[in-house]
Parts: sequence; C-alpha cells; structure tokens
Amino acid sequence: NAGVTQTPKFQVLKTGQSMTLQCAQDMNHEYMSWYRQDPGMGLRLIHYSVGAGITDQGEVPNGYNVSRSTTEDFPLRLLSAAPSQTSVYFCASSFAFGSLHFGNGTRLTVT
Amino acid sequence: SQQGEEDPQALSIQEGENATMNCSYKTSINNLQWYRQNSGRGLVHLILIRSNEREKHSGRLRVTLDTSKKSSSLLITASRAADTASYFCATDAISGGSNYKLTFGKGTLLTVNP
Repeated sequence: NAGVTQTPKFQVLKTGQSMTLQCAQDMNHEYMSWYRQDPGMGLRLIHYSVGAGITDQGEVPNGYNVSRSTTEDFPLRLLSAAPSQTSVYFCASSFAFGSLHFGNGTRLTVT
Repeated sequence: SQQGEEDPQALSIQEGENATMNCSYKTSINNLQWYRQNSGRGLVHLILIRSNEREKHSGRLRVTLDTSKKSSSLLITASRAADTASYFCATDAISGGSNYKLTFGKGTLLTVNP
C-alpha cells in the first residue's frame, strides 16, 4: 500500500521556469491538499480539493495552479517560479473530515 | 492567517518526564487534530478530537479540548528519546457546506534528552 506518493523528492529551478509537482494517492480519498512548509511558518495551505473536478484556494494560492481530473491525482503547477517559492511542499489526502495522510515532501529551490 | 497556534514553540525535557503542548485557535471548529513530524519527513497523524468531545487517549497520548476557551492540549506521558519531533495542531474551521479545510499551527519542537 503506497499511500501518498510525491515526485520529485528534490528540484532546483531557475527564476521564471515552470514545473509540476506530482501527487498520487491509492486510498480512494476524496480530499487532497497541498501545503508548503517554511522555517518558522509551520504549514500553510496552498490549494485543496474535495473531489474530482472540484478545487479551491487555501491561504497562499498565488503563483500556483491545481487541477483534479481523477480521484487519485492532484498535481501542483508552478507557473513562473520565484525565489519566494523555495520551500518544502507536502501533499496530503484523507476521507472528508478525517485525518490527513501525508507524502514525504518535495524540496524545491528556486535560484 | 493561521487558525491554530501552539505553545510553547520549543520544549526540552528528560526521558521519562511528561510533555505538555498547548494549541489555541480562533474560530469554531468541527474537529482538532494533532500531528508529529520527525526531521525532514512528512507529518504523521496522532489523534483527532471532535468538537463535542472533551478528552481522548491513545497509548501515552492524552488530548483535551476546551471549546469555550478555544484551546487544546497534548500530553505525552513517560517520554522517550524517540518522541523528539515537532508537534502540530490542525483545525477544521466550521465554514458551512461540505468544504473541509485543515489549517496548521507553527508547531512545538519537542526535544527529549536521554
């Protein structure tokens, strides 16, 4: 049982480049979300989805896009990377109103 | 803005002692959850307490919830070096409909010294 899988584990981008962080879960969870974690800031919610075809913004959505075409996948797109987006990104999933299962994170550096 | 705030920011204790961490939040909630994060890893769920519950236990963990004070506490009894980690509370604010949005505090860094 793989749980929540995030790829890649590490990524270095130059300012202005775009990329997609992948997230997949095999637990048939309706709810999926993306967080970023910065030192001293805890985890901040970027975007979330309560089911296929439904997404909504979290606390810090600017500069990120998401889509949810299937229950299993919830990719996060950085449209034009900025140094302020250097962070550790976590994807999580759950049944509605349940406990979150987290991936192991993607460490992104934007130079 | 973040809903929950943990206190203290850092806590250092000796093995065998109890550790208590607190979480305060701002708006009414459906449930409150506690998570642990070992350095460099994803978060792991510890315990969920619903708004109509006052106390829950899981092994050496005891969580209390006081909705009138908008606060919760996590007690780890007989701590071990392996409990060294960051601990986060997360809240699901009541927003109507079927939206489910968990927001996290900044965490408490617990160090258990052997």
